[in-house]
Amino acid sequence: ETGVTQSPTHLIKTRGQQVTLRCSSQSGHNTVSWYQQALGQGPQFIFQYYREEENGRGNFPPRFSGLQFPNYSSELNVNALELDDSALYLCASSPDRGGTEAFFGQGTRLTVV
Amino acid sequence: AQSVTQLDSQVPVFEEAPVELRCNYSSSVSVYLFWYVQYPNQGLQLLLKYLSGSTLVKGINGFEAEFNKSQTSFHLRKPSVHISDTAEYFCALDTGRRALTFGSGTRLQVQP
Repeated sequence: ETGVTQSPTHLIKTRGQQVTLRCSSQSGHNTVSWYQQALGQGPQFIFQYYREEENGRGNFPPRFSGLQFPNYSSELNVNALELDDSALYLCASSPDRGGTEAFFGQGTRLTVV
Repeated sequence: AQSVTQLDSQVPVFEEAPVELRCNYSSSVSVYLFWYVQYPNQGLQLLLKYLSGSTLVKGINGFEAEFNKSQTSFHLRKPSVHISDTAEYFCALDTGRRALTFGSGTRLQVQP
């Protein structure tokens, strides 16, 4: 069974641009969550997708959006990038049960210049 | 709203010494509790979790944690640390929606 994979691993973008990050969930998992981890801080919940529908959102503006596909892979899109968007973006997948651990990918390091 | 507080931002300790990383939480509903470890430039790896039942939870790499509902704590312990345990440790909670609330992390620095 494959784990959670994210692409790309590193990315540099210019302020004002748009970016798409990708995540393949672990086999058998239908829930994907995205987190933003700024340098020196704990991860912050962005949003979650369950069976292709948004299933909860943290305190992030609408320029952060996402998708989940029928194979449960997911994308995170960020429009109008700001310098403060520079962070490690983590994807986590979970099986269809409450209270079960989330399995994290290695993350995408986004740098906005 | 729920929150997690990790009381120590850094914990220096000598190799083979015991260590405790402290975590307190706040929530108006029942929670599931987790400890994750993060090595430099990597994602998060689960150390252990408390879902229900016994309040003493054992995890990987010799770590254990005790859930204390009255003190709303979930402290992580290891009786003897190794250099390889040097990493960032995060306490997190889940109210059942699989969206984790994390603490700010504790940097464990194991010195020879």
